[in-house]
Amino acid sequence: RKEVEQDPGPFNVPEGATVAFNCTYSNSASQSFFWYRQDCRKEPKLLMSVYSSGNEDGRFTAQLNRASQYISLLIRDSKLSDSATYLCVVNRLNYGQNFVFGPGTRLSVLP
Amino acid sequence: EAGVTQFPSHSVIEKGQTVTLRCDPISGHDNLYWYRRVMGKEIKFLLHFVKESKQDESGMPNNRFLAERTGGTYSTLKVQPAELEDSGVYFCASSQELGLAGQFFGPGTRLTVL
Repeated sequence: RKEVEQDPGPFNVPEGATVAFNCTYSNSASQSFFWYRQDCRKEPKLLMSVYSSGNEDGRFTAQLNRASQYISLLIRDSKLSDSATYLCVVNRLNYGQNFVFGPGTRLSVLP
Repeated sequence: EAGVTQFPSHSVIEKGQTVTLRCDPISGHDNLYWYRRVMGKEIKFLLHFVKESKQDESGMPNNRFLAERTGGTYSTLKVQPAELEDSGVYFCASSQELGLAGQFFGPGTRLTVL
């Protein structure tokens, strides 16, 4: 079993739709969590950190459930420019600064 | 502010040759990381520097890989001798803080070993 798992995707949604990504992690010692987006053949870029209380940034909402070891990302009113691969990233702080990436979920927002 | 830069952007070499990748982190970032994405797989951590010191190199695949960060500024990752399975995209990232802050990635070096 992979340490960080994500919805396999791809997700194809129409513009304006709401889409949710799920991520689970197996290492209960994990301390910090992030969502990155990666455009095709580009580097990953930080989308948002995920805090225990949940956090929102415009159309994007991230949630963390430590008991279930589950992270989510919700995108509301999706835009064509949201098309990318979304990567769930977990930092096992107790094991150094070793960031573990999920395999990613690809999103295509269609006109 | 300049981002993380990497050189070269692409490298095509033959099996058995040596390649050196370079990463220049964001100025002032003490933390520097190397990652690799082999085709079809997820991004994997290779190692982490704090200034010039290797903090965690648990992800380095074998002793054909050597990373250095002399002076605590730019870093190099040398692969010697390269094997076919070393092909992939090598990303460098840097961050100012440990832990809670996310990392900023460079554009990557696409390495092809023939």
